[in-house]
Amino acid sequence: DIQMTQSPSSLSASVGDSVTITCRASQTIVSFLSWYQQKPGKAPKLLIYAASSLQSGVPSRFSGSGSGTDFTLTISSLQPEDFATYYCQHSYSNPFPFGPGTKVDIK
Amino acid sequence: QVQLQQSGPGLVRPSQTLSLTCGISGDSVSSNSAAWNWIRQSPSRGLEWLGRTYYRSQWFNDYAVSVKSRITINPDTSKNQFSLHLNSVTPEDTAVYFCARGRIDSGDYFFDYWGQGTLVTVSS
Repeated sequence: DIQMTQSPSSLSASVGDSVTITCRASQTIVSFLSWYQQKPGKAPKLLIYAASSLQSGVPSRFSGSGSGTDFTLTISSLQPEDFATYYCQHSYSNPFPFGPGTKVDIK
Repeated sequence: QVQLQQSGPGLVRPSQTLSLTCGISGDSVSSNSAAWNWIRQSPSRGLEWLGRTYYRSQWFNDYAVSVKSRITINPDTSKNQFSLHLNSVTPEDTAVYFCARGRIDSGDYFFDYWGQGTLVTVSS
């Protein structure tokens, strides 16, 4: 199976900061990579698919990039509602694993 | 707007079968462009995709190897819903279970709508 890692596992930031989260696959997954946001007690919410396509309704301050094995999620100007945990997930092959998550909290 | 509504018990005894249902509104379980998934989340295993059912002129199922011997996902076209059955459960199967719609775009497969989640505890 292709394994997913994320870094950092957690970070503290302030409103207005730019934040970058990295996701790495153990082998190439082309651009079959999605990003999700999850808040406590809620289901994950799709932000980005196909590495860089913004899901409808998601603010443009979220962006994704990368291909092959290395990917990034950037939040350009952090808003209060963005404090959450972020997960990457690949669909290159079954079983479509998620990364371990990156928790973004308030500095 | 697609909505997924989960139902089922929150407590299952060890060695018994975990059964959950996901009702669909705003789409069809027989859609030729969607797949219907079960995903679970626990502190020890994180988010884990379990399997899916989908219709492409006939019904197909895919399951994660980790649960393949114990899982069944069934569509119910008369009620526009799908179900999860996981047998021979142990405390390791304690988790929040989500249903989700899967979609393909630009070659990527992702989960764009999710149910509200059901905490299932396996305990005697």
